[in-house]
Amino acid sequence: DAGVTQSPTHLIKTRGQQVTLRCSPKSGHDTVSWYQQALGQGPQFIFQYYEEEERQRGNFPDRFSGHQFPNYSSELNVNALLLGDSALYLCASSLGPGFTYNEQFFGPGTRLTVL
Amino acid sequence: KNEVEQSPQNLTAQEGEFITINCSYSVGISALHWLQQHPGGGIVSLFMLSSGKKKHGRLIATINIQEKHSSLHITASHPRDSAVYICAVRRREGADGLTFGKGTHLIIQP
Repeated sequence: DAGVTQSPTHLIKTRGQQVTLRCSPKSGHDTVSWYQQALGQGPQFIFQYYEEEERQRGNFPDRFSGHQFPNYSSELNVNALLLGDSALYLCASSLGPGFTYNEQFFGPGTRLTVL
Repeated sequence: KNEVEQSPQNLTAQEGEFITINCSYSVGISALHWLQQHPGGGIVSLFMLSSGKKKHGRLIATINIQEKHSSLHITASHPRDSAVYICAVRRREGADGLTFGKGTHLIIQP
């Protein structure tokens, strides 16, 4: 039973570029959430996708966008990269939307460095 | 002031000791999550609770809704328990998603 997978593992970009990160949920899960974790900090919620729609969103600018595909996998896109976007990006999947009744299963993360 | 505060920030203990990590929050919540993060980034969900107490192996999580406080206990600690432990809450109102604490960095020495 495959867990949550993310690609790529590491990524280096320069300011102003655009990046796409990918996430495949745990088998049987239909909901994907994305988080940003700066070095030494706790994660911050970016958004959650369910039924191919963004259902919840944290306090992130419109440069951060996402997509969910019919097979429940998801992409996180970040445009016009800033140095401050350097972080570990974590994806988590769950069975059903929300966070009150749904355990989150996390992927290994993608380490993004913006130069 | 952060809405979710953890203490201590760092904790070093000897193998076998009983460990307590605390989480206090200042907002109404519908659920609280305890997560474990190992070096390299991978996060594992340990507990999700909204009342009372849960136990899994050597780990115990408790929550007091009235006092807005939760604790994570580790009995008979082992070096493999060394990790960052993160508390996160689902707010009943307001911000979407989960709101995270900064984590407690635990080192268990042999």
